[in-house]
Amino acid sequence: EIVMTQSPAPLSVSPGERATLSCRASQSVSSNLAWYQQKPGQAPRLLIYGASTRATGIPARFSGSGSGTEFTLTISSLQSEDFAVYYCQQYNNWGTFGQGTKVEIK
Amino acid sequence: QVQLVESGGGVVQPGWSLRLSCAASGFTFSSYPMHWVRQAPGKGLEWVAVISFDGGNKYYGHSVKGRFTISRDSSKNTLYLQMNSLRAEDTAVYYCAGGRPAMFTYLDYWGQGTLVTVSS
Repeated sequence: EIVMTQSPAPLSVSPGERATLSCRASQSVSSNLAWYQQKPGQAPRLLIYGASTRATGIPARFSGSGSGTEFTLTISSLQSEDFAVYYCQQYNNWGTFGQGTKVEIK
Repeated sequence: QVQLVESGGGVVQPGWSLRLSCAASGFTFSSYPMHWVRQAPGKGLEWVAVISFDGGNKYYGHSVKGRFTISRDSSKNTLYLQMNSLRAEDTAVYYCAGGRPAMFTYLDYWGQGTLVTVSS
């Protein structure tokens, strides 16, 4: 099973600042990597797929990069609605999620 | 628009069974694989099972294999998860999800989830 490890945990950021979240796979997943946002009491929401493609309706301040085993989600200027937990998921071999990174207000 | 509505959750004792349902609308249900993903209280996401568009192929996560069965009824646009021999560690919110043509893929659409609590 491919293990996905996210860092840091948690991430404290001030509104308007840049947030950089990392996700590492235990073996190569090519570009078969997605990012989700989850707020309390809500289902996850797809942000990024194919490592770098924004899902429909996702603001341009969200961007993804990476391939192989190292991936990054960047939120260029944090808005109040962006404080949430973010999960990465690989779908190259079955489907496994990272443990999540909580982005909290500094 | 796409809607996925789960039901069937509740409180059960260890060893009991429970069947979850997920009613789908707003897309061609019979054309897409469907998934169950769960989330234990305060924990991360865990993929549980996936079923192909025609029900012919099914795959399960290690922790539920042999105890859970995923199925679908395209005449009713409904996905099911039969859960047997439930354990305390199965306590979680169970989400149905889907929307992509591949079996192992990212998940576009999610339901709101249904809570299963296994406790004596």
